[in-house]
Amino acid sequence: QKEVEQDPGPLSVPEGAIVSLNCTYSNSAFQYFMWYRQYSRKGPELLMYTYSSGNKEDGRFTAQVDKSSKYISLFIRDSQPSDSATYLCAILGGRLYFGRGTQLTVWP
Amino acid sequence: NAGVTQTPKFQVLKTGQSMTLQCAQDMNHEYMSWYRQDPGMGLRLIHYSVGAGITDQGEVPNGYNVSRSTTEDFPLRLLSAAPSQTSVYFCASSYSSPVTNPMGLAKNIQYFGAGTRLSVL
Repeated sequence: QKEVEQDPGPLSVPEGAIVSLNCTYSNSAFQYFMWYRQYSRKGPELLMYTYSSGNKEDGRFTAQVDKSSKYISLFIRDSQPSDSATYLCAILGGRLYFGRGTQLTVWP
Repeated sequence: NAGVTQTPKFQVLKTGQSMTLQCAQDMNHEYMSWYRQDPGMGLRLIHYSVGAGITDQGEVPNGYNVSRSTTEDFPLRLLSAAPSQTSVYFCASSYSSPVTNPMGLAKNIQYFGAGTRLSVL
């Protein structure tokens, strides 16, 4: 079983939609969670990080961790075409474990 | 501040050729790593280094060598290129190592270069 699983999509939504991106993880001891965003033909860049359970909000982005379900989510409110990218979840546990990434397209 | 710089951006090799992918960071980061990214496979760790003179294998090390003679540089060498090594390669660095400092969340944030797109024919 992989340490972190992520549905690769692709996901296509209209501008203004609320987007939900999700990952599951296997080890209940994991406590540190990150979301990276990767634009086409670019390297991944950190979007948000969070520790343990609960929500963390940054502008239109909210990261949520549900440790009881071993489930992490990234919500994007009022999505914009500029949000079109691949979003990778990552979990810190001895090293950084990445999900496969979900490709998101926001169309005008 | 340049961050993580990778060269070249693109490369085409013939099977059996060797080459070195360069990676340099100017943030005085302790930890550096190499990943490959393939469609549907996500980022897979090739090799990593927790400091100058120290390297270790990741999950897909076969066919690749690394060395870390300075804090700044972490080159990746393909000894005899194979078509299976066609991929996009990313170098990343962080202030501290998730291996030796697993509790240091903010310091373990990895900063990525722009990538090297390699095709092996």
